Amino acid sequence: DTAVSQTPKYLVTQMGNDKSIKCEQNLGHDTMYWYKQDSKKFLKIMFSYNNKELIINETVPNRFSPKSPDKAHLNLHINSLELGDSAVYFCASSQLVGPAYNEQFFGPGTRLTVL
Amino acid sequence: AQSVTQLGSHVSVSEGALVLLRCNYSSSVPPYLFWYVQYPNQGLQLLLKYTTGATLVKGINGFEAEFKKSETSFHLTKPSAHMSDAAEYFCAVSAAGGTSYGKLTFGQGTILTVHP
Repeated sequence: DTAVSQTPKYLVTQMGNDKSIKCEQNLGHDTMYWYKQDSKKFLKIMFSYNNKELIINETVPNRFSPKSPDKAHLNLHINSLELGDSAVYFCASSQLVGPAYNEQFFGPGTRLTVL
Repeated sequence: AQSVTQLGSHVSVSEGALVLLRCNYSSSVPPYLFWYVQYPNQGLQLLLKYTTGATLVKGINGFEAEFKKSETSFHLTKPSAHMSDAAEYFCAVSAAGGTSYGKLTFGQGTILTVHP
């Protein structure tokens, strides 16, 4: 009964490869997010989708492409991986209407290591 | 634009002592404020949030925080620390609706260490 799940938990790959991270939420939320946590634990939003529509797109290289096939899923595809992409990537979801406005639930994270 | 500053990247207390983690925010619109906790190798868990109304909000695990508009602060407290409170704590701000679409801006985090 996991609320927000991500796969894989760990991802080790070579520079230049393309990889994807998957996220699913079973909370019925209307909005999903991707965050990047760097080695200093700083968390920064990358993307947000509301009802499958991209609504936040921070200054992220276009090698990163999110895709939301439906409200419950938000995947992150990364092309031509670079050393600086090494980080922990968190998926989150929330409801942007109602009393629980923007209480974001986070997944367990995906630790990406680029060699 | 919004920003959050957490004063003190590391806080160390003895078990049973008061916990005080400081957070100051900047927001051009009325803010929603949040505290999250992150245990090692885990995702973030919501401790509490302030939206409107009562400025003293209570959260899980005995934590509470007070919204002080005049001081632009939202400090997190707990009267008596437990060993299980050792974790990293993040303060975050979100605009109340509008064009923010739920964007959370996080502080840099405070690592809480609890000594026996």
